[in-house]
Amino acid sequence: SSELTQDPAVSVALGQTVRITCQGDNLRSYYASWYQQKPGQAPMVVMFGENTRPSGIPDRFSGSSSGDTASLTITGAQAEDEADYYCSSRDTSGNLYVFGSGTKVTVL
Amino acid sequence: QVQLVQSGAEVKKPGASVKVSCKASGYTFTGYFVHWVRQVPGQGLEWMGWINPNSGATNYAQKFQGRVTLTRETSITTAYMEVTSLRSDDTAVYYCARGVAGRSWTIYCFDSWGQGTLVNVSS
Repeated sequence: SSELTQDPAVSVALGQTVRITCQGDNLRSYYASWYQQKPGQAPMVVMFGENTRPSGIPDRFSGSSSGDTASLTITGAQAEDEADYYCSSRDTSGNLYVFGSGTKVTVL
Repeated sequence: QVQLVQSGAEVKKPGASVKVSCKASGYTFTGYFVHWVRQVPGQGLEWMGWINPNSGATNYAQKFQGRVTLTRETSITTAYMEVTSLRSDDTAVYYCARGVAGRSWTIYCFDSWGQGTLVNVSS
């Protein structure tokens, strides 16, 4: 099994840029995917692969990866981006999956 | 459009079992793995396991091995998750999600999610 480590919380001023990171050994072999979850709602994918946004996700969301760390950047954060964000990837075996501990993003 | 619709909330006593369903529509059910994810109230997402609806093959996170069983009924495009010997710490929202692979084996995501099913285990 593997672990994905995320900072518990981060805050960003409205319109500014925030980067959320996800660290784990399995990220050297597999790309992370990123999920946004608002209170009382199911998670929703916002980024996957090298830097692929699903249809309908604003282009202020971008992704990157280097070594054992994946990042999700929100450029020009909006009030509606306030949510919990989780990363996920395959574990080191390649057959199982794991989620990061989540990062709570607060937009000030 | 892709839709996953889960069964309703359950209240169970410790030691009982629960079976949650996930009805898929809008795509070829046998073409995509179905994953199950748990979220204890106030906590993060926890991957539980997957089922290949085409073959019925399954794989589980070690934590859930032996107490969780994933099955499917292809004729009604429905996946199921059963948890036995329920404990109070199994109280959680359980989600099903469709898994989608990218062009490379290294790319994967859960692109559609059910609405979640709250399972409350209480004496």
